[in-house]
Amino acid sequence: DTGVSQDPRHKITKRGQNVTFRCDPISEHNRLYWYRQTLGQGPEFLTYFQNEAQLEKSRLLSDRFSAERPKGSFSTLEIQRTEQGDSAMYLCASSLSSGANVLTFGAGSRLTVL
Amino acid sequence: GNSVTQMEGPVTLSEEAFLTINCTYTATGYPSLFWYVQYPGEGLQLLLKATKADDKGSNKGFEATYRKETTSFHLEKGSVQVSDSAVYFCALSDLGYQKVTFGTGTKLQVIP
Repeated sequence: DTGVSQDPRHKITKRGQNVTFRCDPISEHNRLYWYRQTLGQGPEFLTYFQNEAQLEKSRLLSDRFSAERPKGSFSTLEIQRTEQGDSAMYLCASSLSSGANVLTFGAGSRLTVL
Repeated sequence: GNSVTQMEGPVTLSEEAFLTINCTYTATGYPSLFWYVQYPGEGLQLLLKATKADDKGSNKGFEATYRKETTSFHLEKGSVQVSDSAVYFCALSDLGYQKVTFGTGTKLQVIP
């Protein structure tokens, strides 16, 4: 297994544009998480899935953010009408529902909004 | 809601010094507790974990004990090395909802 893959690794966009990030989790993991991390801060929870069901979404997340995991495998995170404040590292992680819920993280997708 | 509080950094130590990074948490029930580490230029990875009260997690010379009475999970290492320079994150996983909450991180710099 190659671990958790994220694409693209870096995205530069202009304010107002839409962006989409993709995450491919470890194949046997049924949970998938999205986090946002800014410089000097810890990962901030955005949302998570168990299989294809989105079980929780942060109240801090505006309606411009949406995530899907249509077949319980890969996931996409879309940000509509990007703002400069959306600039951050977007992290994906996956885990098994059994056991201690240890997260395996991808390398992240860095978003820069100009 | 759940929360994790870590001591602020950066922490600068000389090689072979003793390390403690404090972490306290607020949660309902009995969460699992974790320390994750982020080395320069790398992604977050698990360092150690503990799933119930009085458990001690350990890895690479680091240790942390799950203290329910003080709601703490302090990270310790007896003798740090330059290669331990990284950012350390304390985290908890709520048993009910399985949401994983992270602290703000503590940057450790070890100088020769």
